[in-house]
Amino acid sequence: QQQVKQSPQSLIVQKGGISIINCAYENTAFDYFPWYQQFPGKGPALLIAIRPDVSEKKEGRFTISFNKSAKQFSLHIMDSQPGDSATYFCAASETGTASKLTFGTGTRLQVTL
Amino acid sequence: GAVVSQHPSWVICKSGTSVKIECRSLDFQATTMFWYRQFPKQSLMLMATSNEGSKATYEQGVEKDKFLINHASLTLSTLTVTSAHPEDSSFYICSAGGGAYSNQPQHFGDGTRLSIL
Repeated sequence: QQQVKQSPQSLIVQKGGISIINCAYENTAFDYFPWYQQFPGKGPALLIAIRPDVSEKKEGRFTISFNKSAKQFSLHIMDSQPGDSATYFCAASETGTASKLTFGTGTRLQVTL
Repeated sequence: GAVVSQHPSWVICKSGTSVKIECRSLDFQATTMFWYRQFPKQSLMLMATSNEGSKATYEQGVEKDKFLINHASLTLSTLTVTSAHPEDSSFYICSAGGGAYSNQPQHFGDGTRLSIL
């Protein structure tokens, strides 16, 4: 019930391409869905987040698409760059932005030249 | 932006030693802090939630007597790994937020790599 399933486990995209990472959840009480980016040896950094009242949110090259009925959300990275190579985690929480986060399993993205 | 500072970034110590890790929110008051453990190439596993001025809430399977958490102020939480053993070696990360109904999202520290010899 508390799981957030994330796919793919790893992803290789050419520079300039679109990277797409998908997540699915079961708990309908989740109401906050952030995406985090983590570089090796560093803590996760908040990229972008969405609430269930909107279906899409865009910030720069990063877009979250949210499908409430399917209980799925995805991260799209447009014009992917080598500097985007990192591990990406989706997460979900109930009752606010600073509540306990349930993390997905992570996606290792490699952007090649 | 909001910054969470974690110290030390890396510690190596002998088996049986107790190690204290500090997590500070530098520019906001954090009524809630979280401690995670991350194994190589794996996701973050929540260990415990600490609320300022009260006892921490530990996740199932986490030994509260081994992982002591103190959140004595709105800007500082500490995790003490007591009598550490090699199996406690891991990457420990804290995060800070403004509380369950706050609009302040969770911000993470840069982690502490703990190696027990």
